[in-house]
Amino acid sequence: GAGVSQTPSNKVTEKGKYVELRCDPISGHTALYWYRQSLGQGPEFLIYFQGTGAADDSGLPNDRFFAVRPEGSVSTLKIQRTERGDSAVYLCASSASGTPGREQFFGPGTRLTVL
Amino acid sequence: GESVGLHLPTLSVQEGDNSIINCAYSNSASDYFIWYKQESGKGPQFIIDIRSNMDKRQGQRVTVLLNKTVKHLSLQIAATQPGDSAVYFCAENMIKAAGNKLTFGGGTRVLVKP
Repeated sequence: GAGVSQTPSNKVTEKGKYVELRCDPISGHTALYWYRQSLGQGPEFLIYFQGTGAADDSGLPNDRFFAVRPEGSVSTLKIQRTERGDSAVYLCASSASGTPGREQFFGPGTRLTVL
Repeated sequence: GESVGLHLPTLSVQEGDNSIINCAYSNSASDYFIWYKQESGKGPQFIIDIRSNMDKRQGQRVTVLLNKTVKHLSLQIAATQPGDSAVYFCAENMIKAAGNKLTFGGGTRVLVKP
């Protein structure tokens, strides 16, 4: 398949633990986005990468959240000292650079549950 | 901050009838308005979009209407089918914003009754 993939599909962790969520974008897409979706809500923007650099991280809620994209392809969202309020579905999307929002393709998401 | 929102959280529709999903937005500077469909366990899927300089756009069985005077967006689905059961989100997009990030509303659940 040529779509956006995310692993794991589900992650259950305990409060205070560290987690990593992975996103594999569509091949050739230089733009990559992370969104967070709480139950019954629309996705909320977290961070945007253009290539290897984070061009906009204004949506990250606090310094416990960090994301990297070292080679301009796969990205990892890292959450330190997880809290119960971090429980949500974390969505990744990718697009070709410069295209409007319609051309962001979303992955299935990682459901994170913090106990 | 500015946001996109919806009027109705749940819409029950008889199979074969037309569905209308509404959305209010507040950012008049947005360049595109987009409708997404999200099925359980999946990411949002693009349905149709409309540029801010248009009033109406039609796709296959779907029509999006934009009323900039009252900042209102709607999605019409013709001859609703069981496969249309999902949560629908409107989103707005500013081309000038870094990376064309999307701002989503809260969603409307559509339930199609056989």
